[in-house]
Amino acid sequence: DQQVKQNSPSLSVQEGRISILNCDYTNSMFDYFLWYKKYPAEGPTFLISISSIKDKNEDGRFTVFLNKSAKHLSLHIVPSQPGDSAVYFCAARRSGNTPLVFGKGTRLSVIA
Amino acid sequence: KAGVTQTPRYLIKTRGQQVTLSCSPISGHRSVSWYQQTPGQGLQFLFEYFSETQRNKGNFPGRFSGRQFSNSRSEMNVSTLELGDSALYLCASRPGQANNEQFFGPGTRLTVL
Repeated sequence: DQQVKQNSPSLSVQEGRISILNCDYTNSMFDYFLWYKKYPAEGPTFLISISSIKDKNEDGRFTVFLNKSAKHLSLHIVPSQPGDSAVYFCAARRSGNTPLVFGKGTRLSVIA
Repeated sequence: KAGVTQTPRYLIKTRGQQVTLSCSPISGHRSVSWYQQTPGQGLQFLFEYFSETQRNKGNFPGRFSGRQFSNSRSEMNVSTLELGDSALYLCASRPGQANNEQFFGPGTRLTVL
């Protein structure tokens, strides 16, 4: 039972354009969502997060949108840069002492 | 502050053997979680330790075990290795269980032959 789903295994975007990575979840008890970026041979690094009481959070070129009714969140990267090429993981957790639940990841390739 | 460190970085074992992986969290972090990453499966949660106690456990067989020491360093052990245990094992730390953001180490790449 996959509670966090990233249905696109890969995405290619031209440099300078917008990258949109999507994530769906099934557990309505999730109240905190995070995006991590992972380069080969490195551990995931935290990118941006959003609480369920918000519908948008912005940090520089990165914006996360949350649609609770649709149980959907998305990460927007504008403008996309070649250095953004990596695997992006969506993660979610319930309140309390619960572990993060990760999606399977989306590989983003930004083409110069 | 130094980041999360994991040793060894790479390991090759044969079926039936056992292996111990080590993780040193960021100084001051008391919660340590372990994840298994395999191609196409994302990060699957193994267990979390806080103040030397296992607080959460994922759906892995009993061959996977762990522990945490008083200095918050953690080890995980896999006994009777199987080919399917080949994966990247990631450790993550956070200050406490109330903190949402986890900081990951570079991982240990385990290959079982």
